[in-house]
Amino acid sequence: SQTIHQWPATLVQPVGSPLSLECTVEGTSNPNLYWYRQAAGRGLQLLFYSVGIGQISSEVPQNLSASRPQDRQFILSSKKLLLSDSGFYLCAWSVRGSMRNTIYFGEGSWLTVV
Amino acid sequence: GENVEQHPSTLSVQEGDSAVIKCTYSDSASNYFPWYKQELGKRPQLIIDIRSNVGEKKDQRIAVTLNKTAKHFSLHITETQPEDSAVYFCAASKPRAGNMLTFGGGTRLMVKP
Repeated sequence: SQTIHQWPATLVQPVGSPLSLECTVEGTSNPNLYWYRQAAGRGLQLLFYSVGIGQISSEVPQNLSASRPQDRQFILSSKKLLLSDSGFYLCAWSVRGSMRNTIYFGEGSWLTVV
Repeated sequence: GENVEQHPSTLSVQEGDSAVIKCTYSDSASNYFPWYKQELGKRPQLIIDIRSNVGEKKDQRIAVTLNKTAKHFSLHITETQPEDSAVYFCAASKPRAGNMLTFGGGTRLMVKP
């Protein structure tokens, strides 16, 4: 069966510091991968998605970047964090080319920028 | 692009009552409509989904209905229980590279014992 791992689970970072969140998927090949952000008590905002290695699409302009160095690895980064980057970050995956576009989420990473 | 509106934003019901959450979508090409449940501090999890070739789908106490003509779909929870308390998100998707889902704003459901 497929599993998705995301880490770290929580982190507190000072303003201006870098960020790296990592996500890996197991049990599937060529998945679509996503990064979502959820501000406290708010909805799900799609930040980036990837349909293959090195292929990244950004949905909103921001202080963050994403990379996909391997088929099942997705990384969210920032060079200098802002207070507004605080939130719950969710990595997710789906089966590429599936008619049933179900997205499966990782357990999430709580980021607090202080 | 696709726009999904979800109502109400909060819903409080008594245990045992039914709860209904409604969503509308804008893109007539959308053909897949999942519902996610997110408990406090946890990840959203799929609870039920429906494709556009089906008008209704049921799974125990949960059902989803779809009206393609009106471009709206609804989640129905019967005999609500306290453990149904959570935030529920609807979403819509159409065939395209990346399989992206567009989510509604969420509904906070509170079931009072």
